[in-house]
Amino acid sequence: AQTVTQSQPEMSVQEAETVTLSCTYDTSESNYYLFWYKQPPSRQMILVIRQEAYKQQNATENRFSVNFQKAAKSFSLKISDSQLGDTAMYFCAFMKGAGNTPLVFGKGTRLSVIA
Amino acid sequence: ETGVTQTPRHLVMGMTNKKSLKCEQHLGHNAMYWYKQSAKKPLELMFVYNFKEQTENNSVPSRFSPECPNSSHLFLHLHTLQPEDSALYLCASSQDQPNEQFFGPGTRLTVL
Repeated sequence: AQTVTQSQPEMSVQEAETVTLSCTYDTSESNYYLFWYKQPPSRQMILVIRQEAYKQQNATENRFSVNFQKAAKSFSLKISDSQLGDTAMYFCAFMKGAGNTPLVFGKGTRLSVIA
Repeated sequence: ETGVTQTPRHLVMGMTNKKSLKCEQHLGHNAMYWYKQSAKKPLELMFVYNFKEQTENNSVPSRFSPECPNSSHLFLHLHTLQPEDSALYLCASSQDQPNEQFFGPGTRLTVL
């Protein structure tokens, strides 16, 4: 079974600074996807960024980027130039690359951006 | 965000009540999911429907009964729930598994 671990229950960052959220996972699969989801206080979960395991290049979406270390099974999220709207719960998630396969989530990291 | 909608947004029910949660997706997806989100726990998958067929039941108690009449609608029928079933219930949809999932706003359920 796959597991996803987020070791930081809560973090805070000053506005305009950079913050990194950590995520590690355990799997024996070779083909899989990794995701970071954001859940603001209004509770609608939205996708921040995704990474295919077969791609060596780290995914980037504007101010959000990942550091994907496949051998170490690590998938951290870096948020640059943090904004107040980035305040949310952030969930790391794993998905196998084939078949009917749901997401496996970590427990989440609560990020507070401070003005 | 109107791609995936859920009703009601809040629900309070007694342990002897019967109620239903509704999810509708307007994205043309062919897979839908129910997740349970409890405080300080990872999101737990409950059910998966792919092309209206249930493909996964993650050991969910029978007091939760899903229904998927078509690929756009998903229901979760509730009966004789327990207080520990109080949680946020999230619906999601995706196209051509495996693929990223789009979530609804959730139903906050309180069982008294």
